[in-house]
Amino acid sequence: DADVTQTPRNRITKTGKRIMLECSQTKGHDRMYWYRQDPGLGLRLIYYSFDVKDINKGEISDGYSVSRQAQAKFSLSLESAIPNQTALYFCATSTQRNEQFFGPGTRLTVL
Amino acid sequence: GNSVTQMEGPVTLSEEAFLTINCTYTATGYPSLFWYVQYPGEGLQLLLKATKADDKGSNKGFEATYRKETTSFHLEKGSVQVSDSAVYFCALSDLYSGGGADGLTFGKGTHLIIQP
Repeated sequence: DADVTQTPRNRITKTGKRIMLECSQTKGHDRMYWYRQDPGLGLRLIYYSFDVKDINKGEISDGYSVSRQAQAKFSLSLESAIPNQTALYFCATSTQRNEQFFGPGTRLTVL
Repeated sequence: GNSVTQMEGPVTLSEEAFLTINCTYTATGYPSLFWYVQYPGEGLQLLLKATKADDKGSNKGFEATYRKETTSFHLEKGSVQVSDSAVYFCALSDLYSGGGADGLTFGKGTHLIIQP
C-alpha cells in the first residue's frame, strides 16, 4: 500500500464551487505539506503543518485553506474555486531533516 | 530568499549517453540538497540527497556532489536508459534560516527524454 495517498486523483469542477482535497499518510510523520505544480513552474508550497495544532502558510496560500484532522490526515480546501487554480496538487510528509515523501497527486480542473 | 535554478529542458539523449543536469542554488543558511524524479502520471520520488558540503549522494547509477564553493548540485549518470525518461527536480531545504522546516524550494524541473 502507498505511504501517502490522495483523494480524489482527478476532479473537474466549476468556478465558485468549494472543493476539498484529502491526504492520508501511514509513515507516522508529524510534518505534512501541500504543493501545487504548474507546467514550467516547478512545485510551490501552499500550506504546511508541523503537527495537529500547527498550521503555516506557504508561498501561495491565498484562496486556499487547510485542516489537520489528525497526525495522518491533512486536507486542502478551495473555498471558491477559480480557473487559475487548475493545477496538479501534491501532498507530502517529511522526516525531521525534511526528506519529503509525496503522494500521487490530484489533477484539478476548474472550468 | 532561497532559490534553485536548473537547466531548461527538454534534454534529449540517446541510450547509453552520459547525462548531466545542472543545478545551482541560493540559500541564506546551510541547506540540504535533493534530487527528485517524477515519472509520467506519478508523484515525486526522492532520487538522492546530500546534507553538507562535499557530500556525494548516489542512487540507481545517478550521482550528485554538494559543491558549496560553486553553490551547485549537478546530477550525473554515466549511461542512461530509456527507463530514465522523466522530469527531474533539484530542491533545497534550508532548515536553519527562519527557524523552521518550511517545505522544499524546487527548481522548475528538467524533462529528460532518452531515445533507444
